[in-house]
Amino acid sequence: GDSVTQMEGPVTLSEEAFLTINCTYTATGYPSLFWYVQYPGEGLQLLLKATKADDKGSNKGFEATYRKETTSFHLEKGSVQVSDSAVYFCALSVNTGNQFYFGTGTSLTVIP
Amino acid sequence: GAGVSQSPRYKVTKRGQDVALRCDPISGHVSLYWYRQALGQGPEFLTYFNYEAQQDKSGLPNDRFSAERPEGSISTLTIQRTEQRDSAMYRCASSLGRRLAGGTDTQYFGPGTRLTVL
Repeated sequence: GDSVTQMEGPVTLSEEAFLTINCTYTATGYPSLFWYVQYPGEGLQLLLKATKADDKGSNKGFEATYRKETTSFHLEKGSVQVSDSAVYFCALSVNTGNQFYFGTGTSLTVIP
Repeated sequence: GAGVSQSPRYKVTKRGQDVALRCDPISGHVSLYWYRQALGQGPEFLTYFNYEAQQDKSGLPNDRFSAERPEGSISTLTIQRTEQRDSAMYRCASSLGRRLAGGTDTQYFGPGTRLTVL
């Protein structure tokens, strides 16, 4: 079935460090891939998305590239800030349905 | 414009009571989704609607759970005879719908209702 496997946390980084959160997927169709972010006390917000192979989604300094050959959609940021502290969820949506499949979430804490 | 809203934000109930959770989607959004999120987990699909029609309810865990969207806008998720294992965050999301989105249909989430069953 369709699923997402996400790097387990928690992750703690110093400000300005490089961030990678790994995400791999299994899908029967041609999925669209998403990263959602949940800041403390808030709901899920779309961070970025990519709809086909080799697409790169980007937003707020975060990037992720849809890699069909490795079935991956890793999230990266070159220099994290304290305000990036949140839980990050990788998700996929398959064209044949309307369900989103989410990973378990990765908690990121950035310390000054 | 306003985002997806949910009410109540917090609900504490006793085992055996019925609860109704409300979702008000973004205006003009055709599709509406319900998810359940356990602590430390990602959201898990429950059901979704296009307009007032319930298209998929395969994620509802048992017949104590039901959902409706009678006028194609506000939706209610009802849990009857609640049990402690029903305690979770219940999230609602809405989207334009595939036909209007013209491609990938992005879901926008509300703040959730945290349900605690004592």
